[in-house]
Amino acid sequence: ETGVTQTPRHLVMGMTNKKSLKCEQHLGHNAMYWYKQSAKKPLELMFVYSLEERVENNSVPSRFSPECPNSSHLFLHLHTLQPEDSALYLCASSHAGANVLTFGAGSRLTVL
Amino acid sequence: SQELEQSPQSLIVQEGKNLTINCTSSKTLYGLYWYKQKYGEGLIFLMMLQKGGEEKSHEKITAKLDEKKQQSSLHITASQPSHAGIYLCGADHSGAGSYQLTFGKGTKLSVIP
Repeated sequence: ETGVTQTPRHLVMGMTNKKSLKCEQHLGHNAMYWYKQSAKKPLELMFVYSLEERVENNSVPSRFSPECPNSSHLFLHLHTLQPEDSALYLCASSHAGANVLTFGAGSRLTVL
Repeated sequence: SQELEQSPQSLIVQEGKNLTINCTSSKTLYGLYWYKQKYGEGLIFLMMLQKGGEEKSHEKITAKLDEKKQQSSLHITASQPSHAGIYLCGADHSGAGSYQLTFGKGTKLSVIP
């Protein structure tokens, strides 16, 4: 148990579908992150929320939409995705300003 | 070119052997973080290094930061099958309070019993 729970663990969707990834942490952290991990590429930071406000948005296409309703929950809403968006999406949390991250197990996304 | 280069990309060792993984940064390092990942799963934090010359150990894993060379090494002594996985280094290139960690592509370690 890593303390960061991601659901679903696996998701297959068509290019016209709308789905959401969910992340939950009960570690008392106040910063949450979405990373994308593709084969043979470094981890890519997508979004960061600190104290429930978005502080980083690394030029991510608008078909990815994050939501952070409170410091314990983070969502990634997906719509009109492309096959190249297939990847492992990792959620992480930390104390604000700290770089020691606790990661979830990831959501494996396949876009057909 | 990559901001953070890891070498080797993959490594196969016999159980009981020692090994070293390197992480080299093209930019000034304000902090260097080592993580381990089991295939298809999340990353587990191993160690954080912030000062030049700093060395930390946890069980049979030792990490060092050579600030002059902007390089860190991860050394495993007497490897075991449980050490198998992907080791990633993450670098803070911006300083305190930054939320941006740059990661290397990882080194895949296999340990043969």
